[in-house]
Amino acid sequence: DTEVTQTPKHLVMGMTNKKSLKCEQHMGHRAMYWYKQKAKKPPELMFVYSYEKLSINESVPSRFSPECPNSSLLNLHLHALQPEDSALYLCASSQDRGLAYEQYFGPGTRLTVT
Amino acid sequence: GIQVEQSPPDLILQEGANSTLRCNFSDSVNNLQWFHQNPWGQLINLFYIPSGTKQNGRLSATTVATERYSLLYISSSQTTDSGVYFCAVPTYSWSGTYKYIFGTGTRLKVLA
Repeated sequence: DTEVTQTPKHLVMGMTNKKSLKCEQHMGHRAMYWYKQKAKKPPELMFVYSYEKLSINESVPSRFSPECPNSSLLNLHLHALQPEDSALYLCASSQDRGLAYEQYFGPGTRLTVT
Repeated sequence: GIQVEQSPPDLILQEGANSTLRCNFSDSVNNLQWFHQNPWGQLINLFYIPSGTKQNGRLSATTVATERYSLLYISSSQTTDSGVYFCAVPTYSWSGTYKYIFGTGTRLKVLA
């Protein structure tokens, strides 16, 4: 099983809302990632969690707040977003962090901020 | 940081044609992945190829790490091959974790 699942598939939220994106994997992977992808651009890394601890934060604004409740789950909490935050949010996982392992991606959440 | 460039940026093919996509990277890498992003946004793993050549059906890939490039070959293209093709390479972060840098992408459209 090489599946990473993400919910919801689509999300429309106002600038004052609070919402969460969820990601789950059951491959026993110890590294999980959040990427943001704007239209016609490559995915850009936001956060890396390894062994359930934040390992990389690519200077993402504090209105994005990641959380890793256990080794299979990764959440992204959203608050006071701006219209320019509208994008496809992709979750990925890989077996480990120390060496370069193959990444597996979920289907993404398409977020629209109104 | 490492730069990853892909060419061509756009490609239109007639069904049945062959094509070669290129990924150049500015520094030595430990591995390289090729992905196909379908029109719904899903990134599908094609190859994990740090060096050498691999084949999977109509697709094959070659990475020449010493010369800092990788090639993706698509033979007998089909309309379902349409989408964006990305290569991604890892760079080492000070925290002891690898992070992946994506190339600029090649947007492929296959016409029936």
